[in-house]
Amino acid sequence: EVQLVESGGGLVQPGESLKLSCAASGFTFSGSAIHWVRQASGKGLEWVGRIRSEANTYATTYAASMKGRFTISRYDSKNTAYLQMNSLKTEDTAVYYCVRHVSDTLTGSYFDYWGQGTLVTVSS
Amino acid sequence: QSVLTQPPSVSGAPGQRITISCTGTSSNIGTGYVVQWYQQLPGTAPKLLIYGNINRPSGVPDRFSGSKSGTSASLAITGLQAEDEADYYCQSYDTSLNWVFGGGTKLTVL
Repeated sequence: EVQLVESGGGLVQPGESLKLSCAASGFTFSGSAIHWVRQASGKGLEWVGRIRSEANTYATTYAASMKGRFTISRYDSKNTAYLQMNSLKTEDTAVYYCVRHVSDTLTGSYFDYWGQGTLVTVSS
Repeated sequence: QSVLTQPPSVSGAPGQRITISCTGTSSNIGTGYVVQWYQQLPGTAPKLLIYGNINRPSGVPDRFSGSKSGTSASLAITGLQAEDEADYYCQSYDTSLNWVFGGGTKLTVL
């Protein structure tokens, strides 16, 4: 069974940093791209960024509003991905989901499994 | 404002058919990128409902169907049931913005 379990959320003050983890199981983690998606309370889904597999040089891509502040990494031997968030702002308050990405030549690319999410609150 | 436009809400009575639209542009859906639909039940994480415009993952009832034409896509639900009450999001890829979502549609079963 595919599982993604996020952890590391909590309450931080504006300007501080926080590192989220995403522990994966039930599939070949090293071969999968992992994305982070966030959702502010009562709002819609917002794509944060992505890290590809080693075969794709661990390439990362970020949403414009987060580029330079957020960094995604992974440790394949631990089946874990990370989201390092620096210079946090109140508007970064959201539930953060890690998501498995599937890319298929016939059906395109999509997110097939989501974690349960971890809440990050940025407030003074 | 989301890159993909969805109606904020739709409603229907049990047994009825509803559709949810997702309108994009020539930078995303219109370019040929596939559209996905996700269902988010209250208090839970989103779940993949439709992928590659029309495909259902294993376990998703055939009451749910997707379609795409030009710069738009639609999700149809037939035989509406109380447990279908949820938020629904479309998603695609944009040549400038990478992965994008619609603003979400709240489905109310009357």
